[in-house]
Amino acid sequence: GESVGLHLPTLSVQEGDNSIINCAYSNSASDYFIWYKQESGKGPQFIIDIRSNMDKRQGQRVTVLLNKTVKHLSLQIAATQPGDSAVYFCAENMGSGAGSYQLTFGKGTKLSVIP
Amino acid sequence: DAEITQSPRHKITETGRQVTLACHQTWNHNNMFWYRQDLGHGLRLIHYSYGVQDTNKGEVSDGYSVSRSNTEDLPLTLESAASSQTSVYFCASSEKTGVNEKLFFGSGTQLSVL
Repeated sequence: GESVGLHLPTLSVQEGDNSIINCAYSNSASDYFIWYKQESGKGPQFIIDIRSNMDKRQGQRVTVLLNKTVKHLSLQIAATQPGDSAVYFCAENMGSGAGSYQLTFGKGTKLSVIP
Repeated sequence: DAEITQSPRHKITETGRQVTLACHQTWNHNNMFWYRQDLGHGLRLIHYSYGVQDTNKGEVSDGYSVSRSNTEDLPLTLESAASSQTSVYFCASSEKTGVNEKLFFGSGTQLSVL
């Protein structure tokens, strides 16, 4: 998995399997987290976000899990499809209310789906 | 549909020239941001704006400037382009004024400074 600050890792998954992309964040005061998908040559696309008062949030085929104890965030993609091939990165924000800090972005994990 | 558009998609310029990258959004968002994306780095914030006439420096603002004369546009200007500014530039906007969450990004501008 990735860390906000680490070298870009890669993950290869068979089509139809579930994917788990990890992200370790550094700031225990961060209270808002967000996942983006970026396909080659395109801008980042919002996937899902979660606040620190939640442990889990589900979207369409995606689930984000937050473990504040170990400062870990994961994105689960169910029934991975070829169209899921992209770079996925997380971002964190310490104090996301008005006047808050800016988002800090990780470098990303490249997901390759094997047909 | 509301959207955020960047132009040009690709730009090649020479060292020392002034370059302006355009960003236009039709969501009526007050928050707008400029980021650059380079290999080995996550997205890095250049400048941002929380509304008309408001501009703020980000993490890597040296050599860049922005202006916000209306809600829809936040052009990014490189005063004197340098090779270190070769990068992919992304504009983004978000809904809640002053709250840095759920950014929506444009498709990017690939800038090459020769």
